[in-house]
This record gives sequence, C-alpha cells and structure tokens, in this order.
Amino acid sequence: DTGVSQDPRHKITKRGQNVTFRCDPISEHNRLYWYRQTLGQGPEFLTYFQNEAQLEKSRLLSDRFSAERPKGSFSTLEIQRTEQGDSAMYLCASSFQVLAGQETQYFGPGTRLLVL
Amino acid sequence: AQSVSQHNHHVILSEAASLELGCNYSYGGTVNLFWYVQYPGQHLQLLLKYFSGDPLVKGIKGFEAEFIKSKFSFNLRKPSVQWSDTAEYFCAVGAGTYKYIFGTGTRLKVLA
Repeated sequence: DTGVSQDPRHKITKRGQNVTFRCDPISEHNRLYWYRQTLGQGPEFLTYFQNEAQLEKSRLLSDRFSAERPKGSFSTLEIQRTEQGDSAMYLCASSFQVLAGQETQYFGPGTRLLVL
Repeated sequence: AQSVSQHNHHVILSEAASLELGCNYSYGGTVNLFWYVQYPGQHLQLLLKYFSGDPLVKGIKGFEAEFIKSKFSFNLRKPSVQWSDTAEYFCAVGAGTYKYIFGTGTRLKVLA
C-alpha cells in the first residue's frame, strides 16, 4: 500500500496520560499535515511541515500538543496530559507541491483517540 | 475569516435520483477547491479538484462539480446515484495557503 498510513488506528487512554501518534506519508511527499476531526465536523487544520520544518501551528494546538517530522519523513504527534476534550479523530495528510498553490492533499485513515 | 458552508447535512435519495450538494466558501482571492468522500469505515478520498481553467470539473465515479466564482460556490453533482454512493461528502477550500478549510460534511444515504 503506497498511501498515507497512521498508527495506531485506535487509542483509548485515561485523562492525564500522554499519547503519541505516528504518520507515514506517501513516499517523496515533501509536505505533511495534521488535522483533527470531531463528530459532526469536517477536519480542522492543526499543523504543517515542509520537509522537516514545522511552518505553522493552529491556535487549536495548545502547548500540550507537539509534532515533529525528523528527517522530513514520518511524523509524530504527541499529546501530553490528555483531556477528555482531546477525544477526536486525528488525521494526517501529505502532498507534493509541484506548482505554487496547486497541490492535492492525500489523507490517511486517522487515529481515533478516546480519553476516559 | 475563511469558511466553507455545506448547506445539506443529511440527504436521502433513491437509486437513480440526481444529486446536487451545495458548497459555498468565503474568501476573496484565488482558491483551490476540492470534494472528498468518506465511505463507511474508510478514509477520506479525493473525488475531484479544481485549480484553474474549465469551471466544470469531472471526477471519479461519475461525479462532477461546477465552480461559479460570482457565487463563491462549488456544487457537486451526479446525474444518477447508486447505493454504493452512500457516504459522507466534504467540500474543502485551499485559500491561498497550504491548509484546507473543510465544510461540516453532508451525509448521503442512497436507498436501494
């Protein structure tokens, strides 16, 4: 399978615990995105990497959230001291920018987080 | 602030009926427009996209969408739906930046 992959697919944790999610983008895609989707809503942008550089973080991303993309390949999203409000589907997407402003993001299956 | 509105949250159709799902966005500059589909238990898949040129865009599985700049709209259409089109459909706008703004989605149920 050459699409975007995410691991784990499901995570149940207790409030206050730390969790880490992994995303493997499509090979050679230089951009990687994290989104969050809650019930009844569309995905909301969290953060974005161009190669290994994190270029923007949404206001939705509190200090408890951190994302990395070492070596510009896979990415991890860590949530520290989880809260019940963090329960959501966390989506990863990747793209390859060919022309300025023209790119298509391809999404992974997501990691569904439930904080008890 | 940029936003995307999908007016129909739930749509129920019989097979062979025609489909039109509305999408309006608020942004005054150049936009890239997308429709994604999420079938039950599956991840978001690209249905079609518009960057520039012909405002009538054809996608996979017989879907098409029309970009009407004056109306800030990008409605999705299909002349004859099938049971297998049952899914959730998301309109997304790339408005001058790398991030997409998504609508809240439309759940389509097609009755066999």
